[in-house]
Amino acid sequence: AQSVSQHNHHVILSEAASLELGCNYSYGGTVNLFWYVQYPGQHLQLLLKYFSGDPLVKGIKGFEAEFIKSKFSFNLRKPSVQWSDTAEYFCAVNAGTDKLIFGTGTRLQVFP
Amino acid sequence: GAVVSQHPSWVICKSGTSVKIECRSLDFQATTMFWYRQFPKQSLMLMATSNEGSKATYEQGVEKDKFLINHASLTLSTLTVTSAHPEDSSFYICSASPLRYNEQFFGPGTRLTVL
Repeated sequence: AQSVSQHNHHVILSEAASLELGCNYSYGGTVNLFWYVQYPGQHLQLLLKYFSGDPLVKGIKGFEAEFIKSKFSFNLRKPSVQWSDTAEYFCAVNAGTDKLIFGTGTRLQVFP
Repeated sequence: GAVVSQHPSWVICKSGTSVKIECRSLDFQATTMFWYRQFPKQSLMLMATSNEGSKATYEQGVEKDKFLINHASLTLSTLTVTSAHPEDSSFYICSASPLRYNEQFFGPGTRLTVL
């Protein structure tokens, strides 16, 4: 069965620190990859997505992610986080269907 | 653009009653809508996929007679939790997709509490 793993469940950083959140998936075929963010009390918003082409994808708010096919990974990065980045981050995959499989999420807390 | 609304945003009901949650795509036509359930501090679990004018496809372990889904138009899907019990208390989120295999746009969610 398809699955998505997010290894970091809770990350605590100071402002200006660099961020990398891991995401690995299990599926051997063509995949579409997504990172969503859920700010406190708000709904899920799309940060970035990868369908094909350049494996380094840039999203909103300075986030980027790199698709490494050989590692089945799609890690999210930001060089310098802000307090306003405090949120829950979800990696998601759809593989051959229109269903999204979500990872368990990573809670990011950024302190000033 | 691509706004999805849900109504109500929260509901409290007595055990044994039924609750209907609406999901609307406000500025696009959604060929497919999805219903998820999110437990506290956990991920979203897909409950079912609905396509306009056809029966919903439920994920394994989801009782279709308990969670009735209707997708009567390209902008509206409803989830009815029938004979709700306290274990049905959860956060229910819908999403809508304008094209198959394209991205999904999420609603703000509905907090259901069954007493």
